[in-house]
Amino acid sequence: QLQVVQSGSEVKKPGASVKVSCTTSGYTFATSGFSWVRQAPGQGLEWMGWINTNNDATVNDQKFQGRVTLTTDASTSTGYMELRDLRSDDTAVYFCATSLIVAGVFESWGQGTLIIVSS
Amino acid sequence: DIQMTQSPSSLSASIGDRVTITCQASQEIRNYLNWYQQKPGQAPKLLIHDASNLETGVPSRFSGSGSGTTFSFTISSLQPEDSATYYCQQYDKVPLTFGGGTKVETK
Repeated sequence: QLQVVQSGSEVKKPGASVKVSCTTSGYTFATSGFSWVRQAPGQGLEWMGWINTNNDATVNDQKFQGRVTLTTDASTSTGYMELRDLRSDDTAVYFCATSLIVAGVFESWGQGTLIIVSS
Repeated sequence: DIQMTQSPSSLSASIGDRVTITCQASQEIRNYLNWYQQKPGQAPKLLIHDASNLETGVPSRFSGSGSGTTFSFTISSLQPEDSATYYCQQYDKVPLTFGGGTKVETK
């Protein structure tokens, strides 16, 4: 059974960086992709980017260009999302979601990681 | 960016009622449209992919239809456990975008 487990909540100061992990099990890691989606408090869902776990190709929303880096570690079936130069409006729950068949369909989701940006 | 407009933003209905949510895309997205259910404090859950395909294990009271720019999502007989926020999401063009959500409450 596919499982997706994310790292724990963090509090960061403005200007800092955060790296969120997403560890999967129960399927062949290299045959899928990860998307990262965030949700500000009380708000809707916002897609950030996607990484192909087979070749590490990435596609990001231009909104995050230069601030977000998506990577994977196939040896541990883990994906990572690093967000730099944090601002208060980056405060949100960050989700990873796997796409086993089609890159834009998010079949399984992690439990979410709350990132609070506050001075 | 493709804008996804959901309506209504919220609704309240009785158990057993038929509930319909619409999602309008700002441009043609073929059938590249998914629907998710999110309950408070939980991650979203995929219900329908490619506009009308029910995800395995999802109750048959959920359905979706549409193509092009106009889509709908229906709960044929509302159950108490269906109280949640529902989102549409297009994946025809990057950036992938979500609708603003529809909060469904049971009376």
